[in-house]
Amino acid sequence: DAMVIQNPRYQVTQFGKPVTLSCSQTLNHNVMYWYQQKSSQAPKLLFHYYDKDFNNEADTPDNFQSRRPNTSFCFLDIRSPGLGDAAMYLCATSRDRRPEGEQYFGPGTRLTVT
Amino acid sequence: AQSVTQPDIHITVSEGASLELRCNYSYGATPYLFWYVQSPGQGLQLLLKYFSGDTLVQGIKGFEAEFKRSQSSFNLRKPSVHWSDAAEYFCAVGANTNAGKSTFGDGTTLTVKP
Repeated sequence: DAMVIQNPRYQVTQFGKPVTLSCSQTLNHNVMYWYQQKSSQAPKLLFHYYDKDFNNEADTPDNFQSRRPNTSFCFLDIRSPGLGDAAMYLCATSRDRRPEGEQYFGPGTRLTVT
Repeated sequence: AQSVTQPDIHITVSEGASLELRCNYSYGATPYLFWYVQSPGQGLQLLLKYFSGDTLVQGIKGFEAEFKRSQSSFNLRKPSVHWSDAAEYFCAVGANTNAGKSTFGDGTTLTVKP
């Protein structure tokens, strides 16, 4: 089945220690998104890639970076995690950027910062 | 810019009872509207979407939603709730002017009583 895969599902890191979350997709979609979701809140878009074109949201902290080496993979790098970065991180894809297009979500990575 | 309001943070219904989850949006033109469901510890899954045509749309798992332009609403309904429907439900709106990005509401948590 075509899908969006996120690894690991659970990640524990120490305060200030860089961490990388990964996402892969078998849907061959052009767009890949990274969201941060805190408990009982809406997913908050951090950035997205349209093919190789990187699009950062205005309020995404510099501490968050992303890489998309090819169509299938996308990475979220947190350079110096703080306690406030503990959250669920969701990766999603869509075929293109048309507004009627649905997004396909991975299961998420829950990040704990100690 | 578009926005979404889900007035009910938490709803509890008995198994077998009917369900209606409210969603109000703000957008100047015809919106692109979505309902997603998120089970605990999982990513979001699309239930249904509306962008044109019949204002009553059918989705997966027996859900339906009705677009009412006069009320700026897109409420989700199900005639008979099952215990497995317990989850968090997000309404989202997409717009032509936002590079296809969706804006999510804060979600409604559904609890199902036996």
